[in-house]
Amino acid sequence: DTAVSQTPKYLVTQMGNDKSIKCEQNLGHDTMYWYKQDSKKFLKIMFSYNNKELIINETVPNRFSPKSPDKAHLNLHINSLELGDSAVYFCASSPRVLAGSYNEQFFGPGTRLTVL
Amino acid sequence: AQRVTQPEKLLSVFKGAPVELKCNYSYSGSPELFWYVQYSRQRLQLLLRHISRESIKGFTADLNKGETSFHLKKPFAQEEDSAMYYCALGNTGKLIFGQGTTLQVKP
Repeated sequence: DTAVSQTPKYLVTQMGNDKSIKCEQNLGHDTMYWYKQDSKKFLKIMFSYNNKELIINETVPNRFSPKSPDKAHLNLHINSLELGDSAVYFCASSPRVLAGSYNEQFFGPGTRLTVL
Repeated sequence: AQRVTQPEKLLSVFKGAPVELKCNYSYSGSPELFWYVQYSRQRLQLLLRHISRESIKGFTADLNKGETSFHLKKPFAQEEDSAMYYCALGNTGKLIFGQGTTLQVKP
């Protein structure tokens, strides 16, 4: 199945723990993203990688560290989880973004993180 | 600052009624605008983009630079249109999303 996949789908954990969310795309895309959707459904970009290189880092606490082992994977590691980190995290990918134009972004199913 | 505003959190209409989901943007350059949709228990997906000037599932959206708007319209709503709709602005390699509007089409 050609798509963007994320694991796990649900993640429930205690404050202070460290957790990771994995993302994989088999679409052959060069660019991958992490978005956070808060409780009010507001969707905001966190990071973007182009061919394993970080190109966007939106004022996200440094407890969040993305890692791209290859262009098909972009994982998100979160240290010292806080209550405010509870949200749905979406991974997305797109073909290489050319200057002055935008390609469609393909989204994963989301990971619902609950911090207790 | 670049911003996308969707003033309605929820829009509820009856089947067959016209639908307009509002989107206004703030951007200093030449904008690239999109509508994304998320149906129940499905992933977010692109509905349409302004440069395509096409109609998808009966929906159209016209970029109005004078009013800085990109409203999504459909003349006759169907129950299967019920979903969450996001307006988005392309800016320097990223998408800036509006707050989203839930469209509820009642039978």
